Amino acid sequence: AQSVTQLGSHVSVSEGALVLLRCNYSSSVPPYLFWYVQYPNQGLQLLLKYTSAATLVKGINGFEAEFKKSETSFHLTKPSAHMSDAAEYFCAVSDPNNNDMRFGAGTRLTVKP
Amino acid sequence: AAGVIQSPRHLIKEKRETATLKCYPIPRHDTVYWYQQGPGQDPQFLISFYEKMQSDKGSIPDRFSAQQFSDYHSELNMSSLELGDSALYFCASSLRTSGSLYTGELFFGEGSRLTVL
Repeated sequence: AQSVTQLGSHVSVSEGALVLLRCNYSSSVPPYLFWYVQYPNQGLQLLLKYTSAATLVKGINGFEAEFKKSETSFHLTKPSAHMSDAAEYFCAVSDPNNNDMRFGAGTRLTVKP
Repeated sequence: AAGVIQSPRHLIKEKRETATLKCYPIPRHDTVYWYQQGPGQDPQFLISFYEKMQSDKGSIPDRFSAQQFSDYHSELNMSSLELGDSALYFCASSLRTSGSLYTGELFFGEGSRLTVL
């Protein structure tokens, strides 16, 4: 079974500062890993995904994440936060054999002017 | 490009009533998933269907049932509604086949917000 743990339910950064959202996973098989973003009253939008190719993955809106097997981590980063980045971010893991996806508890990102 | 379509977008019901949510996956996607997201919560997996057969079952209450039809659309039926069923219900679809078309991600609809009074 797969699971993810997101460290920190709330993260607050200043506009222009580095964004770091942490995600650790547990999986009995080599996993696929994802970051989704959710804006208020909207569905989940895929930011980026790791599917066993390059370990450094670049996504939309300037976000990127690095798969580190030794640390079982898939942290999300962005060099410079923008006000529009304020949202809820979910890390997710799936088993490539059955594609069933499990989400972390989410991290709410607040960006201060 | 076509996305996952969910209906209705908003639904208000009384306790003990029944509600049905519909999901139309992206064309040619063979797998449908249902998730429930309570206020301030992460999406909780309810149930999934692959090629019209139940594939996996999560934390779906016995009062809920779901099915996938021949045209691949899916319906989530919720009976004897309780206040705690008030949530955003997401449907997602994916293409669960190997090869170059397999991308691994789920594509989510905008969700159906159920309010139980």
